[in-house]
Amino acid sequence: ETGVTQTPRHLVMGMTNKKSLKCEQHLGHNAMYWYKQSAKKPLELMFVYSLEERVENNSVPSRFSPECPNSSHLFLHLHTLQPEDSALYLCASSQDWTGAQPQHFGDGTRLSIL
Amino acid sequence: RKEVEQDPGPFNVPEGATVAFNCTYSNSASQSFFWYRQDCRKEPKLLMSVYSSGNEDGRFTAQLNRASQYISLLIRDSKLSDSATYLCVVNMLTGGGNKLTFGTGTQLKVEL
Repeated sequence: ETGVTQTPRHLVMGMTNKKSLKCEQHLGHNAMYWYKQSAKKPLELMFVYSLEERVENNSVPSRFSPECPNSSHLFLHLHTLQPEDSALYLCASSQDWTGAQPQHFGDGTRLSIL
Repeated sequence: RKEVEQDPGPFNVPEGATVAFNCTYSNSASQSFFWYRQDCRKEPKLLMSVYSSGNEDGRFTAQLNRASQYISLLIRDSKLSDSATYLCVVNMLTGGGNKLTFGTGTQLKVEL
């Protein structure tokens, strides 16, 4: 049972499509994160939000656009993606973004770009 | 040198064995350390935080060695269900703020 839920679990889209990934946390945390995990690579931090404000953006291409309407919800809007963007996208939350507290992950969205 | 480095393995051990993994980190200003477990095609799950004094949780023991800049995870009496990838996670305070860095993971396979 996870306190962080992500939808959809799987997504197949063409390079010209627009889609959004959704994440919701039920843990009362103040920080939320998007990660990308490709095969044989470590998790790559994409975005960090603290109390709905973006505090970190790790040189992610503009075809990925995050949105954090409140501290419980996080979206990742996708448009004009490339085949190399196929990966597992993980959302996580933590009490705060200082890094002193561990992060709790959602099940992830497995994204395939045709 | 990688910021967080782990031996990818796989470590193949018989059930009941004791196995240990190390993880080295490059930034001496690192503040927090964690071990996560990730099963195939699943999300990472927190296994344990790593404290300066070392900590133990059942069959699992984590140690931190600041002088040599590594953390370790010891698993005693391995179970088949321990088969997974173990991720080392290091948080460091940099000029740009906090940076949480994941290792590539060490794969463990426990066999009959």
